[in-house]
Amino acid sequence: AQSVTQPDIHITVSEGASLELRCNYSYGATPYLFWYVQSPGQGLQLLLKYFSGDTLVQGIKGFEAEFKRSQSSFNLRKPSVHWSDAAEYFCAVAGFQKLVFGTGTRLLVSP
Amino acid sequence: DAMVIQNPRYQVTQFGKPVTLSCSQTLNHNVMYWYQQKSSQAPKLLFHYYDKDFNNEADTPDNFQSRRPNTSFCFLDIRSPGLGDAAMYLCATSRTSGTGETQYFGPGTRLLVL
Repeated sequence: AQSVTQPDIHITVSEGASLELRCNYSYGATPYLFWYVQSPGQGLQLLLKYFSGDTLVQGIKGFEAEFKRSQSSFNLRKPSVHWSDAAEYFCAVAGFQKLVFGTGTRLLVSP
Repeated sequence: DAMVIQNPRYQVTQFGKPVTLSCSQTLNHNVMYWYQQKSSQAPKLLFHYYDKDFNNEADTPDNFQSRRPNTSFCFLDIRSPGLGDAAMYLCATSRTSGTGETQYFGPGTRLLVL
């Protein structure tokens, strides 16, 4: 069965600093991978997705993620964090007719 | 703009009193999903509809039911809410149910059970 691990429950980053959120997946075949962001009290917004091809994927809001098959990872990065990036971030892998989410990483941005 | 709409955004109900949550979409997608998300947890799929075909997850309690009267609308019925059913309920849609199909989420309905 598919699974996703996000090892960091909380991360605090200073505004303007770089960010990397970790995601490890378990899937038998080529995975379809997603990053979603959830602001407080809101639904999930798709940041980016990986299906195949270039392993570095660009998303919205200046985010990117890199697929590394050898490490079963799909880490999310941003070179310079803005206060508005404070939110919960979910990594997900596509299973049959469903998404399997990790438990999320809450990003806090300090001034 | 095409979107997924959920009403109400906040719902308060009493223990054991049936409640219905609503979702509508203007994307004309074939698939509609209901997820339950408890505090600080990952969204968990309850069930989904592919057109009129209902697909229940194996571990979804019988207390949860769903209806999809047409392409645009889907309802989540909780027959006898317990305190443990307090959560955010997220509706999502996708064009098809193929593996890797992007899901588009609504803003969610937060359910409080008193």
